[in-house]
Amino acid sequence: GENVEQHPSTLSVQEGDSAVIKCTYSDSASNYFPWYKQELGKGPQLIIDIRSNVGEKKDQRIAVTLNKTAKHFSLHITETQPEDSAVYFCAASIRLRGGKSTFGDGTTLTVKP
Amino acid sequence: DTGVSQNPRHKITKRGQNVTFRCDPISEHNRLYWYRQTLGQGPEFLTYFQNEAQLEKSRLLSDRFSAERPKGSFSTLEIQRTEQGDSAMYLCASSLSSGGSTDTQYFGPGTRLTVL
Repeated sequence: GENVEQHPSTLSVQEGDSAVIKCTYSDSASNYFPWYKQELGKGPQLIIDIRSNVGEKKDQRIAVTLNKTAKHFSLHITETQPEDSAVYFCAASIRLRGGKSTFGDGTTLTVKP
Repeated sequence: DTGVSQNPRHKITKRGQNVTFRCDPISEHNRLYWYRQTLGQGPEFLTYFQNEAQLEKSRLLSDRFSAERPKGSFSTLEIQRTEQGDSAMYLCASSLSSGGSTDTQYFGPGTRLTVL
């Protein structure tokens, strides 16, 4: 089955700096890659996603890139703010297999003011 | 659109007891997923429904677990004879399946289960 690895497990940055989280996946059939932000005691919240026919997508301070050949995708957050502090999860899914998602183990991002 | 809701938010039970959780998806979403999340891990897929049909179950879902979605709207997840290893956050997500691209899943706040 699909395996998703996520790095780093923890990331600490100064407010205003950029943060990058990287994921790799194993199943070349995966065609949808969402990123979620999870705050303590809450469910994951979708922040951005990318489909396999697109190499890059941007939404204000957040961007995601996808390299299908290398089976890599990354989350980029620019101009980080303290409220960006949370656990971030990447995931991969396959439309034809019901769209269930396989998640990475998460990255705890801390933005220091 | 009120989002995905889950009840109860927290459940504490003694080992051996049965528990049932409820999930109300976003209205008109035809797919509903259950995931389990333990501390420091990402959510793990348990099962999913398209309308009222349960289409896939993970090997994580032992015989003590059963899920239903009787009218294609809300869903329940029951755990019989709970064990301490069942302690986790149980997450529900829903999506609208449509032809073409993969569906976006929206998660509820989860039910935190503690088995004593």
